[in-house]
Amino acid sequence: GNSVTQMEGPVTLSEEAFLTINCTYTATGYPSLFWYVQYPGEGLQLLLKATKADDKGSNKGFEATYRKETTSFHLEKGSVQVSDSAVYFCALLRRAAGNKLTFGGGTRVLVKP
Amino acid sequence: DTEVTQTPKHLVMGMTNKKSLKCEQHMGHRAMYWYKQKAKKPPELMFVYSYEKLSINESVPSRFSPECPNSSLLNLHLHALQPEDSALYLCASSQDLLASGGDEQFFGPGTRLTVL
Repeated sequence: GNSVTQMEGPVTLSEEAFLTINCTYTATGYPSLFWYVQYPGEGLQLLLKATKADDKGSNKGFEATYRKETTSFHLEKGSVQVSDSAVYFCALLRRAAGNKLTFGGGTRVLVKP
Repeated sequence: DTEVTQTPKHLVMGMTNKKSLKCEQHMGHRAMYWYKQKAKKPPELMFVYSYEKLSINESVPSRFSPECPNSSLLNLHLHALQPEDSALYLCASSQDLLASGGDEQFFGPGTRLTVL
């Protein structure tokens, strides 16, 4: 079946530090890959997506590249801010599976001033 | 308008109460979803509607009853819930289940449900 594995948090960083959150997946076929972010007390917001191998998704300074050879979709940001403190979820979707999103366990990121 | 709205934001109910959660989107999406999220966990899919018809029920107990009265609205009717049903209930929508592009799901802010 499909699965997503993320690095466990919490990840604690200082402001302006470099952030990497690892995400690897297992799926048949060619899934779409997503990063969602959840701020405290809120729903999920789509951060970025990629739909095929070597696609790079980017938004708000965050980037992730769809690597089929390593089945990975690592999230990176070059300089984090306190406002980036949140829980980040990596997810995959296969249309053949009824558009069901498979989420990783989530990674909590805390950025300190 | 790229927003999914949910009401109420918070709900406290007893085990004998009947209540409903509401979700609305005006993006012209034809697929809508209900998820349940427990603390410190990812969302778990409950139901999927496609073109106002129930497409997927993830073996959810019958005390949760979904309804899709039109393409913009999605309800979740609650009856005889248990304390372990306390969670954040998230609604989401996407273009549809068969579109060649635009498979991303847009989430609402959620309803935080407490069952006493």
